[in-house]
Amino acid sequence: AQTVTQSQPEMSVQEAETVTLSCTYDTSESDYYLFWYKQPPSRQMILVIRQEAYKQQNATENRFSVNFQKAAKSFSLKISDSQLGDAAMYFCAYTGGFKTIFGAGTRLFVKA
Amino acid sequence: DAGVIQSPRHEVTEMGQEVTLRCKPISGHDYLFWYRQTMMRGLELLIYFNNNVPIDDSGMPEDRFSAKMPNASFSTLKIQPSEPRDSAVYFCASSLAGAGAKGPANYGYTFGSGTRLTVV
Repeated sequence: AQTVTQSQPEMSVQEAETVTLSCTYDTSESDYYLFWYKQPPSRQMILVIRQEAYKQQNATENRFSVNFQKAAKSFSLKISDSQLGDAAMYFCAYTGGFKTIFGAGTRLFVKA
Repeated sequence: DAGVIQSPRHEVTEMGQEVTLRCKPISGHDYLFWYRQTMMRGLELLIYFNNNVPIDDSGMPEDRFSAKMPNASFSTLKIQPSEPRDSAVYFCASSLAGAGAKGPANYGYTFGSGTRLTVV
């Protein structure tokens, strides 16, 4: 069965600095998709970034980028130039076929 | 598009009462999902629909839970009778699978703002 593990329950970063959130997953499939979702205090979950497993190039969306290591089954999120508005829960998610698995989440604190 | 719209945002009800949560997906999206989020269990998929047809309801915890999608722009999740352990945030999400997609969420979900349900 597929699993998604976020080993950091909480992380903290200084405003304008860079932070990396970790995610590992386990699957026997070769074709799948990985995502990071942000859940701010407003509660709505927002898609931050998407990675297709068959693409070696790491996805990038403005200040957000991923380090996708398929062999290691690792999918970390890097947030550059952190802003106060980045403070939120971040969920890593795996989608293979008809199943999506979410990690337990990492709460990110941003210090002014 | 206004996004996925859920109502109510908050619901407080007494044990034994019927609760109905509502969702309007993004126009044109062909999949709709109902999730439940709790601290203990995280995000759990309850049920999902494809073109208004329920596809997988294996996540529905028990017969007290039911979901319908009478048309492409509206879905309900009903709990009858409600119990304190049903207290959670319930999310509706929609997705567009796209031509040739191998699954319903390969392009990710668009979530609503959720309904926080408290059963006392």
